[in-house]
Amino acid sequence: QVQLQESGPGLVKPSETLSLTCTVSGYSMTSGYYWGWIRQPPGKGLEWIGNIFHSGTTYYNPSLKSRVTISVDTSNNQFSLKLSSVTATDTAVYYCARGGHFYGDSPSFWGQGTLVTVTS
Amino acid sequence: QSALTQPASVSGSPGQSITISCTGTSSDVGAYNLVFWYQQNPPGKAPKLVIYEVTKRPSGVSNRFSGSKSGNTAFLTISGLQADDEADYFCSSHAGSRTFVVFGGGTKLTVL
Repeated sequence: QVQLQESGPGLVKPSETLSLTCTVSGYSMTSGYYWGWIRQPPGKGLEWIGNIFHSGTTYYNPSLKSRVTISVDTSNNQFSLKLSSVTATDTAVYYCARGGHFYGDSPSFWGQGTLVTVTS
Repeated sequence: QSALTQPASVSGSPGQSITISCTGTSSDVGAYNLVFWYQQNPPGKAPKLVIYEVTKRPSGVSNRFSGSKSGNTAFLTISGLQADDEADYFCSSHAGSRTFVVFGGGTKLTVL
């Protein structure tokens, strides 16, 4: 059974870059599927951030595209999220997830999520 | 403002059936059979997939959960309501090659 675990700082200062890593176990990322990030501000709904294929092909939410980079490290079965120039509105629980075989598939398996708070 | 519109709340008594709607446009829900539904309980816990590709149920999900679609609106129906169905439910859909994936704002289900 695939498992995903997010890791990274829980606090980030305004204007800095948020960096998170997702470690995948129980499944080799090179075997297929898209892998992605989703976030949920406190008390609010879900927002898709973007996803990546093991080849490195990426797709980003147009509203975040200028600030987002998703990368993959297949040797460690991990993928990462960087979100630059953060503000308080980027405070959210960030989830990593496995998608489907198609770039437009929604997530299927999710990590537990990690709360990132943007504060000075 | 979420791209897909869901009612903020629905409620039902144990044993009853409820239906949650998810309204999009002809560019997302209406265009693709790629509507997914998630259960989240409690808020902030990882969502669990309960329906994918409009009508399909993942292994291990109760057959009390079913999905359908009509035009630009998708529906999640839960029959034989149980207390542990009480949760937030979110829909999502593919939205084309520029927007990719959009979510609904979520619906809080209360089992009375």
